[in-house]
Amino acid sequence: QVQLVESGGGVFQPGRSLRLSCATSGFNFHNYAMHWVRQAPGKGLEWVAVVWFDGIKKYYADAVQGRFNISRDSSRETINLQINSLRVEDTAVYYCARGTGSPSEHDFWGQGTLLTVSS
Amino acid sequence: DIQMTQSPSSLSASVGDRVTITCRASQAIRNDLVWFQQRPGKAPKRLIFAASSLQSGVPSRFSGSGSGTEFTLTISSLQPEDFATYYCLQHNTYPRTFGQGTKVEIK
Repeated sequence: QVQLVESGGGVFQPGRSLRLSCATSGFNFHNYAMHWVRQAPGKGLEWVAVVWFDGIKKYYADAVQGRFNISRDSSRETINLQINSLRVEDTAVYYCARGTGSPSEHDFWGQGTLLTVSS
Repeated sequence: DIQMTQSPSSLSASVGDRVTITCRASQAIRNDLVWFQQRPGKAPKRLIFAASSLQSGVPSRFSGSGSGTEFTLTISSLQPEDFATYYCLQHNTYPRTFGQGTKVEIK
């Protein structure tokens, strides 16, 4: 069955950098675009970024453009989210999700990893 | 960017009630819309894709309709496990955008 498992969250200081990862299994990773979505405590869902199946085409939310970098490792069937210059407002649960376009748009999600940015 | 306006932001309803949630897009998005359910502390779960197609395994009391700029999620007879927050997502263009969410609470 499809599984997405995020990791890399924790408590970090403002200005630091970190990388979140999403390990996938149970489907043909090479055929799917993959997204990151975040949710600040008590708030709604916010789309963050997508990387296409080829690893080349990428799109970002305006709020993270220039500071976040999404990538995929085809040999490990994993996607990553590099976050630079951490801000307090980056505090959120970060989810990875599979698929772009019908019928697979955001069809499966991981359980999320909590990132807390605090001094 | 396409703005998704979801209403209401919250509602109170009883078991057995019919519930309707609306999402309006700031420009036409064909039927490029997905609905999710999120229970507290859990990841979102997809209910409806392509505006009106029921996700496999989702009860038939959930239905979606609409095209263009106005979309509706309907729960025909609310069950105890349906008390949750619901979100729409447009996937017509990037950046993807979610509605603000509708919290369905017990009356």
